[in-house]
Amino acid sequence: EVQLLDSGGGLVQTGGSLRLSCVASGFTFYNYAMAWVRQAPGKGLAWVSSISGSGGATFYADSVRGRFTISRDNSKNTLSLHMDSLRAEDTAVYYCAKYSRSGSYYDFASWGQGALVTVSS
Amino acid sequence: DIQMTQSPSSLSASVGDRITITCRASQGIIDYLAWYQQKPGKAPKSLIYDASTLQTGAPSRFSGSGSGTDFTLTVSGLQPEDFGTYYCQQYKNYPFTFGGGTKVEI
Repeated sequence: EVQLLDSGGGLVQTGGSLRLSCVASGFTFYNYAMAWVRQAPGKGLAWVSSISGSGGATFYADSVRGRFTISRDNSKNTLSLHMDSLRAEDTAVYYCAKYSRSGSYYDFASWGQGALVTVSS
Repeated sequence: DIQMTQSPSSLSASVGDRITITCRASQGIIDYLAWYQQKPGKAPKSLIYDASTLQTGAPSRFSGSGSGTDFTLTVSGLQPEDFGTYYCQQYKNYPFTFGGGTKVEI
């Protein structure tokens, strides 16, 4: 069974930094691209960033490019999102998500439980 | 960016009803479309991918159709556990984009 366990959320001041982690199990981690998707309070879903299975290719939404860094450690089955220069509009639940098909960037078959990030002055 | 527009934004239906949610893409996405169900306080769950393929474990009362720019999600025989918000998502081009959601009340 695929499991994704998100952690690292919390309250941070405007301009601060935070690191989210997602520990994966139940599948061959390095074979799958992974992503972060967020959801602001009471709002819809928004894709944030993706990374290839090897970690060699990364993609970012315009709203976070230059401030967020996605990475992965395939030896530890762990996906990370390092967030710098945080703004109030980054307040959201952040979900780790696994792409459905090996080696591809298609739909999201599995999701973590989410980590709440609150940015406040 | 490809804009995804869902309608209606909310609906109320009874157990046993057949409901349909539509999703329109601002440009053609072939069949690179997924549908998700989300319940309050929970992560989304995959229902449909490639516009019409039922995700493993999703109930067969859910079905998807469409291609190009117009897509539909149909629930045939609505069940009490089907309440929640439904989202479409395109994966034809980055940035992957979601529809605004359709809240279903039983």
